[in-house]
Amino acid sequence: TQLLEQSPQFLSIQEGENLTVYCNSSSVFSSLQWYRQEPGEGPVLLVTVVTGGEVKKLKRLTFQFGDARKDSSLHITAAQPGDTGLYLCAGARGAQKLVFGQGTRLTINP
Amino acid sequence: DVKVTQSSRYLVKRTGEKVFLECVQDMDHENMFWYRQDPGLGLRLIYFSYDVKMKEKGDIPEGYSVSREKKERFSLILESASTNQTSMYLCASTSGQAEYEQYFGPGTRLTVT
Repeated sequence: TQLLEQSPQFLSIQEGENLTVYCNSSSVFSSLQWYRQEPGEGPVLLVTVVTGGEVKKLKRLTFQFGDARKDSSLHITAAQPGDTGLYLCAGARGAQKLVFGQGTRLTINP
Repeated sequence: DVKVTQSSRYLVKRTGEKVFLECVQDMDHENMFWYRQDPGLGLRLIYFSYDVKMKEKGDIPEGYSVSREKKERFSLILESASTNQTSMYLCASTSGQAEYEQYFGPGTRLTVT
């Protein structure tokens, strides 16, 4: 069974700080996605990384796919209260299916 | 704009009741999915469908069934609700063209008492 482990599960920091969330597996994925979910809503896709070693930036968010395509990280620079939410990583496992990590609940305090 | 809608945001049912959760997408997507989301467990796949009248079991299908009579609609059925099925249920769809990008509905929070 392919599993994705996210860490930390909870993170509470002050506005303006930097943070990194990790998503690790012993399995290789053809691609990996990051979603953000806000209370009362479904997850919304932020980014998809496909190539080992790939780095993608989305404003203050930087996503990296590990060289071996088994892990990924999300780095947020100068966090803002609007970044608060549940961050989920998801690995592609064939036939359009995804396996999700447990999620990281991020709180940015003003 | 891509849209996935779910019939209810909140639902309270009694143990033993038959429960129907409806999901509709307006994007002409082939693939549709039902997940449940529980704290600390992430999203777990219950059932998915590649086409009308096609269904495949996911990782936790026990106690659930599904129906897909039309391309845009995917229903999740709890034949006899139990308290351990209290959860957030999320529906998603994907075209199969993009790299697995899934579009989610807002979720239904089901409480079984």
